[in-house]
Amino acid sequence: ETGVTQTPRHLVMGMTNKKSLKCEQHLGHNAMYWYKQSAKKPLELMFVYNFKEQTENNSVPSRFSPECPNSSHLFLHLHTLQPEDSALYLCASSQGRDRFTYEQYFGPGTRLTVT
Amino acid sequence: AQSVTQLGSHVSVSEGALVLLRCNYSSSVPPYLFWYVQYPNQGLQLLLKYTSAATLVKGINGFEAEFKKSETSFHLTKPSAHMSDAAEYFCAVSAKASRGNEKLTFGTGTRLTIIP
Repeated sequence: ETGVTQTPRHLVMGMTNKKSLKCEQHLGHNAMYWYKQSAKKPLELMFVYNFKEQTENNSVPSRFSPECPNSSHLFLHLHTLQPEDSALYLCASSQGRDRFTYEQYFGPGTRLTVT
Repeated sequence: AQSVTQLGSHVSVSEGALVLLRCNYSSSVPPYLFWYVQYPNQGLQLLLKYTSAATLVKGINGFEAEFKKSETSFHLTKPSAHMSDAAEYFCAVSAKASRGNEKLTFGTGTRLTIIP
């Protein structure tokens, strides 16, 4: 595997379900990100982890719970979601704050549908 | 604070014609600027970046962009459009942070359609 991978690619869940999204980066990066991409809206940054520490929570509802066990893996735990949470969830990684290399590398995304 | 404005949510050009996608930014500190492309059902792929070196930046797939500080612009161009260029394009700005991780602010995207 190369780059940033995300599983599953598609997920349909009911509002009472609990599910998790997984992201893995194979680039040796130290920072990882979750974004939400909804139709006709700008890309929304949700969470940022740097060296496994959460450094940003962009006022995300508590029904979204991130977890970063190490610099290569990032999870997004989902529970009691709402239909408006249906979107494409993108994971990204970058080298991290101590290097002036700002480009982020994105995974293919998980298309989430909440019914 | 930083922001990005992409003029035109939809742009259509004929195959072989010039592609011009517009991006204006606002940043209180010297910015880093990026263009990303997103093909259907895929994530974002970096096309090119400006990080305070040369103002004319060349990227993948024949795209280039010019940083113009006086106009606060970073427009994306390609001399001759190809059918495979049909996608959504995002401009993004990141400001150097004295501490903490970098943060990208994205524009709303421009959907490029290529007319055969």
